[in-house]
Amino acid sequence: DGGITQSPKYLFRKEGQNVTLSCEQNLNHDAMYWYRQDPGQGLRLIYYSQIVNDFQKGDIAEGYSVSREKKESFPLTVTSAQKNPTAFYLCASSMGQGPSYNEQFFGPGTRLTVL
Amino acid sequence: AQRVTQPEKLLSVFKGAPVELKCNYSYSGSPELFWYVQYSRQRLQLLLRHISRESIKGFTADLNKGETSFHLKKPFAQEEDSAMYYCALATGGGNKLTFGTGTQLKVEL
Repeated sequence: DGGITQSPKYLFRKEGQNVTLSCEQNLNHDAMYWYRQDPGQGLRLIYYSQIVNDFQKGDIAEGYSVSREKKESFPLTVTSAQKNPTAFYLCASSMGQGPSYNEQFFGPGTRLTVL
Repeated sequence: AQRVTQPEKLLSVFKGAPVELKCNYSYSGSPELFWYVQYSRQRLQLLLRHISRESIKGFTADLNKGETSFHLKKPFAQEEDSAMYYCALATGGGNKLTFGTGTQLKVEL
C-alpha cells in the first residue's frame, strides 16, 4: 500500500519544541497538501503546494511551516508558535489542477500529541 | 468566503432504508463538489464528484445550484456503507478543497 506515506504514525513532543511531520509520495503528483483534522471540525487546510519550490498558505497556516524542495516530499513543521498543536494531521496529493486532475489521495495520517 | 455545511454529525438508518446525507455550500464562483469517504481503519478516499455524474457503490449526488446543495443519496443502505462522509468544495483553480465537518453514517441491521 504505497502511494502516499506519512511518518511516524504517532508522535509525542514536549510543549515548546518544534516537530516535523514527514509526507512522501511516489505517484508523480505535482500538488501536495497538509490538513489538520479535529473532532467535529472536519479537515482544515494548513498549506498546499502546486509545484516544487512553491507553496501557499491554507486557512490555518499560523504556527506551521513547510518546504517543497523535491516533488516527492512535503514536510510539515509544527512550531512552538502553534497554540493548539495536538491533532491528527493528514497529507494528500493530486496530479495537478483542473477537473480531471484534482482528485486528492490521502496518506494514513500522523497523530501528534504535545505534552 | 467559501463554506461547506453538513448539518448532521450522525445519521443512523436501518439496512435497506434510503439514505440522504445533506451538504450545502456557499461560493460565489462556479462550484466543483466532491464526496469523500473514510471507512473504519482506512484512508480518506474520493467517493464521487459532481462533474462525473456517475453512481459509485449505489450512491449518487446531484448539484443543485438553486438550492446550493449537493446531497448524497442511496436508495437502499447496506451495512458496508457505515463510514464517515465528507462533502468538499474545490476552489482556487480546482486544487484547494474546503471540507464540511463530516457526517458519520451508521447502518444498523
